[in-house]
Amino acid sequence: AQKVTQAQTEISVVEKEDVTLDCVYETRDTTYYLFWYKQPPSGELVFLIRRNSFDEQNEISGRYSWNFQKSTSSFNFTITASQVVDSAVYFCALSEVAGGGNKLTFGTGTQLKVEL
Amino acid sequence: KAGVTQTPRYLIKTRGQQVTLSCSPISGHRSVSWYQQTPGQGLQFLFEYFSETQRNKGNFPGRFSGRQFSNSRSEMNVSTLELGDSALYLCASRINVGREYGYTFGSGTRLTVV
Repeated sequence: AQKVTQAQTEISVVEKEDVTLDCVYETRDTTYYLFWYKQPPSGELVFLIRRNSFDEQNEISGRYSWNFQKSTSSFNFTITASQVVDSAVYFCALSEVAGGGNKLTFGTGTQLKVEL
Repeated sequence: KAGVTQTPRYLIKTRGQQVTLSCSPISGHRSVSWYQQTPGQGLQFLFEYFSETQRNKGNFPGRFSGRQFSNSRSEMNVSTLELGDSALYLCASRINVGREYGYTFGSGTRLTVV
C-alpha cells in the first residue's frame, strides 16, 4: 500500500531563512509521481512541484528546490529566503500510476509559519 | 484556460439530509477525482471518474456516491448526512499527458452538518 509521511507537524521560521520540508514515501510501484502542494487558509490546494520516479534530477525553480532520492524514498522540498506569504500548510503526495489507480495519497501536512 | 470550478463554496445541512456537490474540470481533462479533508483524517481519496466511469473508489461508506457526465462535469452526493461528514470536499482535474501529468484542484466546497 502507498503511504506518505511528513514527520514535521509545524515549522516556524523568520523571514529570509531557508526552510526544508521533509517527505518520506512508501510504494511498491516502479512508476509513480510525487508532488508538493501548498494550501493557504482559503483551502485550495496549489500545485508547486512534480517529479516522476524515473527522474531523480534535482532542480531549482525560483525560490523552490527539491531533493528526490529513491534510495531513501525521500522527496524533500526547500524554500529559499522564505517570505510571510509562504505561510501555509504544505502537503506531499504520491500517485501510483499502475497499482494505485491514479489517486493521490497525501501526507498529514506541515504547517509553515514565516514571521517577520 | 479556466481552472477547476466547484460549487457551491459553502453549504450548511442538517443531519439526515442529502447533499450534491458539483465540479467542472479544466476543459479537455477527462478525469475527475474527489477528496475529503477533515482535521482528524486529513486528505482522503473518495473516488475517481474517467469518461463517465468510476475507476477507483476510496474507503468510504455507500452513502458517498458520484457520477460524471458526458461533458466531464462531475457531481458527488452524500445521503443521510452525519455530523462527521462536515469537511472540505476538494475536486481534482487530472491531465495525463507525458510530462504534464498532474492534478489541479478546485477551491473546494466546505460542508457543515448541524
